[in-house]
Amino acid sequence: GQQLNQSPQSMFIQEGEDVSMNCTSSSIFNTWLWYKQDPGEGPVLLIALYKAGELTSNGRLTAQFGITRKDSFLNISASIPSDVGIYFCAGLIQGAQKLVFGQGTRLTINP
Amino acid sequence: DAGVIQSPRHEVTEMGQEVTLRCKPISGHDYLFWYRQTMMRGLELLIYFNNNVPIDDSGMPEDRFSAKMPNASFSTLKIQPSEPRDSAVYFCASSRRLENQPQHFGDGTRLSIL
Repeated sequence: GQQLNQSPQSMFIQEGEDVSMNCTSSSIFNTWLWYKQDPGEGPVLLIALYKAGELTSNGRLTAQFGITRKDSFLNISASIPSDVGIYFCAGLIQGAQKLVFGQGTRLTINP
Repeated sequence: DAGVIQSPRHEVTEMGQEVTLRCKPISGHDYLFWYRQTMMRGLELLIYFNNNVPIDDSGMPEDRFSAKMPNASFSTLKIQPSEPRDSAVYFCASSRRLENQPQHFGDGTRLSIL
């Protein structure tokens, strides 16, 4: 069954706005990964997090590994048109060997 | 460095035909994963290999699906016979280790079974 809840499912914003999305679970995670998928392409890794509390930036993107190890968020600052796409969180549950994926957040930007 | 390479990018075939999807992982990555993506179910892990050995194939839908990894630089996912419900995008991913290392995805094979 679904072990990760990603929200929101979709976002419609204006160019220049900041974006925030998150993933939560009742399970404890050892790893959080954030991917972006463009149409017709595979998921591309944006940020990888391996320690509780870790805060990592990649350009305008910032992600954090929640202190409780049960959640993570991704922020995008000053959105631009090329940020359009579907963003997925993925995590490795403690003791497990498979990544579990969120349902994705579809980001649409109005110029 | 080259990423994960998948072929073909698109495949359209009639039901009952055999379909073979191919993957070349990133050099030096010991783990290879096959995923299927559909609108209804999202990304599902089908099977993964460690050092060319299948570790967990519990996600393989049924006996019509099989996967092999004859060497460290090549893997195949085969569907025989194919059915319309197999239509999806199939992704291959690889990573250096299972933990503390991210999985890197190929661009996928979009499979349509008529």
